[in-house]
Amino acid sequence: AQSVAQPEDQVNVAEGNPLTVKCTYSVSGNPYLFWYVQYPNRGLQFLLKYITGDNLVKGSYGFEAEFNKSQTSFHLKKPSALVSDSALYFCAVRDRGSGNTGKLIFGQGTTLQVKP
Amino acid sequence: NAGVTQTPKFRILKIGQSMTLQCTQDMNHNYMYWYRQDPGMGLKLIYYSVGAGITDKGEVPNGYNVSRSTTEDFPLRLELAAPSQTSVYFCASSPQDRDQPQHFGDGTRLSIL
Repeated sequence: AQSVAQPEDQVNVAEGNPLTVKCTYSVSGNPYLFWYVQYPNRGLQFLLKYITGDNLVKGSYGFEAEFNKSQTSFHLKKPSALVSDSALYFCAVRDRGSGNTGKLIFGQGTTLQVKP
Repeated sequence: NAGVTQTPKFRILKIGQSMTLQCTQDMNHNYMYWYRQDPGMGLKLIYYSVGAGITDKGEVPNGYNVSRSTTEDFPLRLELAAPSQTSVYFCASSPQDRDQPQHFGDGTRLSIL
């Protein structure tokens, strides 16, 4: 079965420090991977995606993610965290078992808390 | 750009009442989705549609119905509301290209009392 796991419910970092939000996946075939961010009382906003090509992908707001096929991971990173990065982050993978429907399988979400 | 618009933003229902959550998008996307978000549970897919006149069940469809008469609109109907349907509901849309992200509305916060 296809799945996405975000092993940490919450990540705490100090402003200015690097941050990592972890994601691992299990899919058959090549994965299409996405990161979204959700601010309070808002919908999910797309940050970045990995479809093919370079393992390091860059996205919005200075975020990047590293695709590692051997470890089946797609960790979200940022070199220097901002207090405004505090939010709920979701990793997702395209459901390849349902044909071309665009369906996503989401992880449980990780709350990022950046302290001043 | 409006994107994906959901109405209402908040609603309180009594057990057994019915209501329709509205969702409309102005991006001419073929694909549309309804999710519910419960604390610590991520997003669960309720129903989805790959085009006007075509809908299909997701992971948690019981207690809900949908229709897709136009490309723009994808309303979600709750019949006989139950406390277990208290949740935040999100509508999303995406183009037909598999590598394109989904675009989300800001959600409807629904309480069933």
